[in-house]
Amino acid sequence: DTEVTQTPKHLVMGMTNKKSLKCEQHMGHRAMYWYKQKAKKPPELMFVYSYEKLSINESVPSRFSPECPNSSLLNLHLHALQPEDSALYLCASSQAGIGEEKLFFGSGTQLSVL
Amino acid sequence: GEDVEQSLFLSVREGDSSVINCTYTDSSSTYLYWYKQEPGAGLQLLTYIFSNMDMKQDQRLTVLLNKKDKHLSLRIADTQTGDSAIYFCAERGLTGGYQKVTFGTGTKLQVIP
Repeated sequence: DTEVTQTPKHLVMGMTNKKSLKCEQHMGHRAMYWYKQKAKKPPELMFVYSYEKLSINESVPSRFSPECPNSSLLNLHLHALQPEDSALYLCASSQAGIGEEKLFFGSGTQLSVL
Repeated sequence: GEDVEQSLFLSVREGDSSVINCTYTDSSSTYLYWYKQEPGAGLQLLTYIFSNMDMKQDQRLTVLLNKKDKHLSLRIADTQTGDSAIYFCAERGLTGGYQKVTFGTGTKLQVIP
């Protein structure tokens, strides 16, 4: 199994809603990532978990709250988002502690904030 | 911060070779990568090269690295319509005290049948 599975594929939410994005992998990878990608732009790193611990937070606003319940799952909890947060949210995983850091990406969740 | 730049667009005819170029600024880069993104999908790793290598070949793909000029290229031989996508180069280097992968601006490859 070389897949990273993200749900939902599409999400529309209002600025007062609370929602969660989910990501799952069964490759035994111990590093998991959240990226944000705006249209026609490269992915931008948001968070990195290594061995289920948050290792990198790229100064992301607190309305985005990541969670790594176990080595296979990664969540991103969303609350009080703004319309400018509309984007494709990509989850990725890789083997931890390996120099080449090959990232395996999910297909993403296309988020629209109204 | 690090800059990774690519040209925005490349159009080639089916069967020709495509060459996608990338320049980067981070002299601490250890690995450099090429990813492919099709519409509505995530990124797929195509190939990568260690910074002490200058060339890597993998079937139709050839990666060239000029470390002195900080220039990376991806050559796709016998380009097919299925190769139409956005191609991102990326580099792994030391940023803000930790290792991080930074993506380039992306090149949209259009293959004309």
